[in-house]
Amino acid sequence: AQTVTQSQPEMSVQEAETVTLSCTYDTSESDYYLFWYKQPPSRQMILVIRQEAYKQQNATENRFSVNFQKAAKSFSLKISDSQLGDAAMYFCAYRSAGYGGSQGNLIFGKGTKLSVKP
Amino acid sequence: KAGVTQTPRYLIKTRGQQVTLSCSPISGHRSVSWYQQTPGQGLQFLFEYFSETQRNKGNFPGRFSGRQFSNSRSEMNVSTLELGDSALYLCASTQTEGISCVFGQGTRLTVV
Repeated sequence: AQTVTQSQPEMSVQEAETVTLSCTYDTSESDYYLFWYKQPPSRQMILVIRQEAYKQQNATENRFSVNFQKAAKSFSLKISDSQLGDAAMYFCAYRSAGYGGSQGNLIFGKGTKLSVKP
Repeated sequence: KAGVTQTPRYLIKTRGQQVTLSCSPISGHRSVSWYQQTPGQGLQFLFEYFSETQRNKGNFPGRFSGRQFSNSRSEMNVSTLELGDSALYLCASTQTEGISCVFGQGTRLTVV
């Protein structure tokens, strides 16, 4: 069975600084997707960034980028120029590529609570 | 374009009762998944529906059930509620063959 581990329950960053959230996963599959979701106090899970395992290039979305190390099964999220609005729970998630099978079965880590100090 | 809509947003039920939660996916999305979020267990997959068929199911007791209608709207039902069923229930919808899912704001269920 696949597992996702986030080893940092809480992180703190100064506004405008850079922070990196860690995530490791375990799988025997070769084709899968990885995601970072943000959950602010409003509770709605918001997709931050995703990475397809077959792509070697690390995904980037504005101030958010990932460091995907497939061999090491590591998928960290870097937030640059942190803003107060970035404060939230961040969840790393895994999904099998699921050809012909499930598409919606995400496996989540326990989350990292990010605080942003003004 | 409307997002994923979950109703109700908050619910308080008594132990032993049953409850039905509703989820309306984004228009055109045919896959709907449900997750339970608790402080202790985190986010756990309940089940997934596609074209009115349950395609996948998580490790939850039979008291948890769901269904999907022809318009892709989905409901989940929990019978004989237990205190431990208190949680945030999240619904997510995905396009056919889509990769990323979009979540609703969740239903906060409290069992007393």
